[in-house]
Amino acid sequence: AQSVAQPEDQVNVAEGNPLTVKCTYSVSGNPYLFWYVQYPNRGLQFLLKYITGDNLVKGSYGFEAEFNKSQTSFHLKKPSALVSDSALYFCAVINYGQNFVFGPGTRLSVLP
Amino acid sequence: DAGVTQSPTHLIKTRGQQVTLRCSPKSGHDTVSWYQQALGQGPQFIFQYYEEEERQRGNFPDRFSGHQFPNYSSELNVNALLLGDSALYLCASSTRDRGAGELFFGEGSRLTVL
Repeated sequence: AQSVAQPEDQVNVAEGNPLTVKCTYSVSGNPYLFWYVQYPNRGLQFLLKYITGDNLVKGSYGFEAEFNKSQTSFHLKKPSALVSDSALYFCAVINYGQNFVFGPGTRLSVLP
Repeated sequence: DAGVTQSPTHLIKTRGQQVTLRCSPKSGHDTVSWYQQALGQGPQFIFQYYEEEERQRGNFPDRFSGHQFPNYSSELNVNALLLGDSALYLCASSTRDRGAGELFFGEGSRLTVL
């Protein structure tokens, strides 16, 4: 069965500092990995995805993520955090043709 | 280009009642998935519709049912509401032939069961 873990409920970072939101996954076969962001009382917005190819994936709003097959991880990163990045972040995994499985979410707070 | 639209945005029901939530997918999308997001949790997959049929189903009881119409729009029905059904219900659309294409989400319908 597919599963996603986000080991940190909350991540706090100062504005201008780099941020990392962690994600590990468990799936049989080749994983397709996604990051979504959710602002208060809103739906989920797509940030980026890894399907195949380069392990470093670049996405929206300056975010990027690194796929590490040996560690089964897909950590979300940004070189310089903004206060407006404060939101709830979800990692998700899918096998081809299956449904998305989301992690429990990590709340990112960027402090001015 | 309209994205995924859901209605209603908020609703309040009492235990035992029934509710219908509606979703129009993003233009060009033919597949609709429904998710339940309880407070403080990640979205949980309910089911997916394609070509007017339920194609996949998550671990939800039969009280949860759905429908997809020829124009690809979809409804989620929940019967015999329980307090634990209170959640944000998210609709997501995608295209079947893209396999692992990303989901596009609506803003959600927040259901409160009293």
